[in-house]
Amino acid sequence: GAGVSQSPSNKVTEKGKDVELRCDPISGHTALYWYRQRLGQGLEFLIYFQGNSAPDKSGLPSDRFSAERTGESVSTLTIQRTQQEDSAVYLCASGLAGGLNEQFFGPGTRLTVL
Amino acid sequence: GQQVMQIPQYQHVQEGEDFTTYCNSSTTLSNIQWYKQRPGGHPVFLIQLVKSGEVKKQKRLTFQFGEAKKNSSLHITATQTTDVGTYFCAGDLNSGNTPLVFGKGTRLSVIA
Repeated sequence: GAGVSQSPSNKVTEKGKDVELRCDPISGHTALYWYRQRLGQGLEFLIYFQGNSAPDKSGLPSDRFSAERTGESVSTLTIQRTQQEDSAVYLCASGLAGGLNEQFFGPGTRLTVL
Repeated sequence: GQQVMQIPQYQHVQEGEDFTTYCNSSTTLSNIQWYKQRPGGHPVFLIQLVKSGEVKKQKRLTFQFGEAKKNSSLHITATQTTDVGTYFCAGDLNSGNTPLVFGKGTRLSVIA
């Protein structure tokens, strides 16, 4: 079956522009996670959805970052007024609810802010 | 905040040598998961440990969960170049009611 997909795979933007990143989770997965990974670094948790509600937004680095999810389907991560420090790979993962279930990661979107 | 600490950050080994990465939490974990990320790739689930003192093996990989469920280790015997990548542990601190907390990972390089 299809895995988690993300689009675009690469995005180059100019400082100050807004960007929207998309994640299509595995069908039936109620949990969806966004992470940021800077070059050579670990996974930085951004936000978690259970269904279309976001019980944990604690990782969003600033009010320029927001995310939405439609039902138990597609999620979009929006970064407004991008800054150079936003350059990173943004990874999405989905899974069944609960910590006993593994997370399936998408291939990521590589964002470069010039 | 609650953290899962992982050491070492980097490890360079000669092919055939063993490798171990360690994961420690300040609080008791409900379970712990391990992921591998190949260079240029995305994290892929390896295994989950749930029980105190649990040991699981996958070919040359041995995973352990401490008796107190606060630490875990991944040991690779006789490393191969295919083992190259970053290994992450991820701890469940709240029985699935909060997201996993990932360690910063250990990047393994294997010199042929």
